Amino acid sequence: DVKVTQSSRYLVKRTGEKVFLECVQDMDHENMFWYRQDPGLGLRLIYFSYDVKMKEKGDIPEGYSVSREKKERFSLILESASTNQTSMYLCASRGTNEKLFFGSGTQLSVL
Amino acid sequence: GQQLNQSPQSMFIQEGEDVSMNCTSSSIFNTWLWYKQDPGEGPVLLIALYKAGELTSNGRLTAQFGITRKDSFLNISASIPSDVGIYFCAGFEWAGGFKTIFGAGTRLFVKA
Repeated sequence: DVKVTQSSRYLVKRTGEKVFLECVQDMDHENMFWYRQDPGLGLRLIYFSYDVKMKEKGDIPEGYSVSREKKERFSLILESASTNQTSMYLCASRGTNEKLFFGSGTQLSVL
Repeated sequence: GQQLNQSPQSMFIQEGEDVSMNCTSSSIFNTWLWYKQDPGEGPVLLIALYKAGELTSNGRLTAQFGITRKDSFLNISASIPSDVGIYFCAGFEWAGGFKTIFGAGTRLFVKA
């Protein structure tokens, strides 16, 4: 069964902290994505990657960076967390077709 | 960029009722997708549509790819409590790379 695993279900951080959200997929997918989910706004794309060491900005990249050192792992980094980054973060991967596979999400609270 | 307008935002229904939701786009898509997000989980793909006019079922769920290619519909028949969740429409397009554009979601509540 395909699996996308996000390292934490819940995180509480303080303003200004550096935050790492980790995502691992076991499907050998080339494409990986980070979305942010907020009520009434749906899923908004932060960053994506089509290959190892490759990254592309999505629709809302400000305040975020990413790292993809290995094919199976895609990390989202908040360099200096702010309260407006409190949100649900969803990682997804995709193979050669249109189907996205999501992790269970990380609910991040920045105080 | 592309915008998807999904409605309604939320629905409160009685168990056994049928449900309809829809999604419209400012421009055409070649592929429409419907995902469901259970509480506390990530979205899961329910149905994929590839051709204008296509009607596809998955159990009690039926989705249609609008003939203008700018809209899609999802119907749920005889709703049950486990239908609770958020339903997202999505369009799949080429925009400097293949991208998935999501609607804002329809939150469904089912009263037993």
